[in-house]
Amino acid sequence: NAGVMQNPRHLVRRRGQEARLRCSPMKGHSHVYWYRQLPEEGLKFMVYLQKENIIDESGMPKERFSAEFPKEGPSILRIQQVVRGDSAAYFCASSPPSYTYNEQFFGPGTRLTVL
Amino acid sequence: SQELEQSPQSLIVQEGKNLTINCTSSKTLYGLYWYKQKYGEGLIFLMMLQKGGEEKSHEKITAKLDEKKQQSSLHITASQPSHAGIYLCGADIAGANSKLTFGKGITLSVRP
Repeated sequence: NAGVMQNPRHLVRRRGQEARLRCSPMKGHSHVYWYRQLPEEGLKFMVYLQKENIIDESGMPKERFSAEFPKEGPSILRIQQVVRGDSAAYFCASSPPSYTYNEQFFGPGTRLTVL
Repeated sequence: SQELEQSPQSLIVQEGKNLTINCTSSKTLYGLYWYKQKYGEGLIFLMMLQKGGEEKSHEKITAKLDEKKQQSSLHITASQPSHAGIYLCGADIAGANSKLTFGKGITLSVRP
């Protein structure tokens, strides 16, 4: 059973370009979470999705950021018109459907560098 | 202020020594999760604690949850260089069984 997969592992963009980060959850997991880790800061929650639904986007910046988890295919975190402050490690986590446990398994992350 | 405080901020120990690190929440804990992260890599799940007084062990690592104090401790016995890394505690403090709030992490170095 493969773990959570993220690609690309490293992404370099120039200011103003778009960044697309992909996350494939573990088999059998229908919940996906995106977190951002900025240099010298902790891991911060961004968004929580289930298939075709955004459940909680309280951690998402209001502009330029969007996320989706379609019925088929990976979850996508999209950042439009990137700025240098977007440079960070973006982690995806997945968990199985459960009302009692919230054990989240993390992917290796995508390290975004904005030049 | 930080909702999850981890202490100490960093720790250097001699190989073979025992150590304890802590994670304290300013809010009610509905679940506490310990992860380990190597620099520049992803998070490795270590343990999950849900009930007050719960204690779990895996190999030489033991984690406890003190629900009343809203605190968890992670103890490593006879540390080895392979234990080096960043230890992150994450907690469900919203009770919504969804997002996790994380501390800033504790950097552990083990000197051979």
